[in-house]
Amino acid sequence: GAVVSQHPSWVICKSGTSVKIECRSLDFQATTMFWYRQFPKQSLMLMATSNEGSKATYEQGVEKDKFLINHASLTLSTLTVTSAHPEDSSFYICSATGRTSGNLDTQYFGPGTRLTVL
Amino acid sequence: AQTVTQSQPEMSVQEAETVTLSCTYDTSESNYYLFWYKQPPSRQMILVIRQEAYKQQNATENRFSVNFQKAAKSFSLKISDSQLGDTAMYFCAFMWNNAGNMLTFGGGTRLMVKP
Repeated sequence: GAVVSQHPSWVICKSGTSVKIECRSLDFQATTMFWYRQFPKQSLMLMATSNEGSKATYEQGVEKDKFLINHASLTLSTLTVTSAHPEDSSFYICSATGRTSGNLDTQYFGPGTRLTVL
Repeated sequence: AQTVTQSQPEMSVQEAETVTLSCTYDTSESNYYLFWYKQPPSRQMILVIRQEAYKQQNATENRFSVNFQKAAKSFSLKISDSQLGDTAMYFCAFMWNNAGNMLTFGGGTRLMVKP
């Protein structure tokens, strides 16, 4: 149990275009989802927290107009990188917590999405 | 604010041997959770072990066990009978009960298991 999927796993786009990344909890209801960014050989950096049906809470320094987060249902959250530029190239990871067969207070992670902006 | 420190950026161990990864944290809270996550080369974050702060008994999961010292704010991970598949980045993480399930991560320890 507690499986989180992410799609796509790898995306290449041109500078100036927008990219949407989906995060789904497959076998549990995710009341809270988190979006992280990870640079090579570094730890995870929290970008934002989203609760189902409410606006996302962004960490300091994260542009909310650039990284649009929607958590429309208990199983789906999306991250849209708007007007992407090469500096947005990174590995993006989502995670979810909620009512699972396991623990309520544990984050389960998706496999990540590698974004490359040309 | 909570902080998590992993003082060993890189470690190596021979296959079948035992290795211990260190983690210390700083908090003024009394109710919290501690985690170890593994990130292999695939970059999928995998939960290794979870410890509730109110439990004195150290958590174990097969070959993985922790040494939780609440007073010392220490949470080390012991991997017994190391296997090649244990090669990964290991992250220690802290979750405070009243912080909306947010995790604070350490900087990570890169573990290499050698044949």
